[in-house]
Amino acid sequence: DVKVTQSSRYLVKRTGEKVFLECVQDMDHENMFWYRQDPGLGLRLIYFSYDVKMKEKGDIPEGYSVSREKKERFSLILESASTNQTSMYLCASSQGEYNSPLHFGNGTRLTVT
Amino acid sequence: AQKITQTQPGMFVQEKEAVTLDCTYDTSDQSYGLFWYKQPSSGEMIFLIYQGSYDEQNATEGRYSLNFQKARKSANLVISASQLGDSAMYFCAMTPAPGYALNFGKGTSLLVTP
Repeated sequence: DVKVTQSSRYLVKRTGEKVFLECVQDMDHENMFWYRQDPGLGLRLIYFSYDVKMKEKGDIPEGYSVSREKKERFSLILESASTNQTSMYLCASSQGEYNSPLHFGNGTRLTVT
Repeated sequence: AQKITQTQPGMFVQEKEAVTLDCTYDTSDQSYGLFWYKQPSSGEMIFLIYQGSYDEQNATEGRYSLNFQKARKSANLVISASQLGDSAMYFCAMTPAPGYALNFGKGTSLLVTP
């Protein structure tokens, strides 16, 4: 089974802090994604990556950056955390085929105070 | 841009009955993929079923089937013989290209009652 591991289940940070959310997958997938999930808004795409050192902006990239130095690891960075970034963050990976589902990690619930 | 609409914020169904969760989409692409995910209260996203835009048969996976009507741009999920464990949020999603990111709807909360 594909396993996508997010380093923290719960995280509390202060406004202005630099925050790193880590995600590792063990299936040699090319594609990795970061979403945030908020009640009533569904999942919204922040950034994605199709290869090492490659990144693309999603629908809501403002206030975030990403890093993919190794194929299995995709990090989401909040340069200066703000309270409106309090949310559930979901990492996912997939193979590059139409019928390939995204495999999700268990999520990181981030609270910014 | 693709858009997914799930018009039912919440649904109730009695155990052992069938339930249909609605999903409509808007796209100008000829090729695309449609997915349904389940998210129980534990928060994990569980892949349920996939339908390709060129698939002639409706997809089925156990108690899940996808009622795909391409001309109407709808991809409704049908759950047969509901179980208490089916209580969860359900998300419809689509992708315009192989391996591309999924666009998600806002979800439908399903509650199965005894």
